[in-house]
Amino acid sequence: AQSVSQHNHHVILSEAASLELGCNYSYGGTVNLFWYVQYPGQHLQLLLKYFSGDPLVKGIKGFEAEFIKSKFSFNLRKPSVQWSDTAEYFCAVNGRRALTFGSGTRLQVQP
Amino acid sequence: ETGVTQTPRHLVMGMTNKKSLKCEQHLGHNAMYWYKQSAKKPLELMFVYNFKEQTENNSVPSRFSPECPNSSHLFLHLHTLQPEDSALYLCASSFLSPSSGSPPGQYFGPGTRLTVT
Repeated sequence: AQSVSQHNHHVILSEAASLELGCNYSYGGTVNLFWYVQYPGQHLQLLLKYFSGDPLVKGIKGFEAEFIKSKFSFNLRKPSVQWSDTAEYFCAVNGRRALTFGSGTRLQVQP
Repeated sequence: ETGVTQTPRHLVMGMTNKKSLKCEQHLGHNAMYWYKQSAKKPLELMFVYNFKEQTENNSVPSRFSPECPNSSHLFLHLHTLQPEDSALYLCASSFLSPSSGSPPGQYFGPGTRLTVT
């Protein structure tokens, strides 16, 4: 069965700091990976996804993620965070018919 | 506007009540999902409907009963719930190709915040 681990539960950064959120997965099949973001009081939104090809994936709002197959990782990065990036971030891996999500990382950006 | 709507947005119900949650997707997708989001726990998949057929029931108690009359609408019927069922219930949709076993990105609705008293 597939699983996703997000080791950082709560991250606090100052504006302009660089961000890296860890995501490790386990899945025996062809892997598709996703990052979702949930802003306070809003619905889950797809930030970026990896299906195949270039392991460095660029998403919306300046986010990117790198798929490292040897490390079973799909870490999310942003060079310079903004206060508006305060949200909860979820990593997910495809299952047979639906996604399996990590427990989420709450990012708090201080102005 | 996400293309996936859910009603009601908030629901408070007693343990003996019967209520239903509704989800509608306007994206032309053929698969719909119910997830449960509890505090400090990962999103839990509850049900999957693919082409209106239930393809997955993730060991969900029978007090939760899904219904998918067509590929655009999904319901979750609730009866005799317990206080621990209080959570945010999220609906999602995606397009599943018959030849592919891997779901593309799912689009989520805003959720229904359920409180069981």
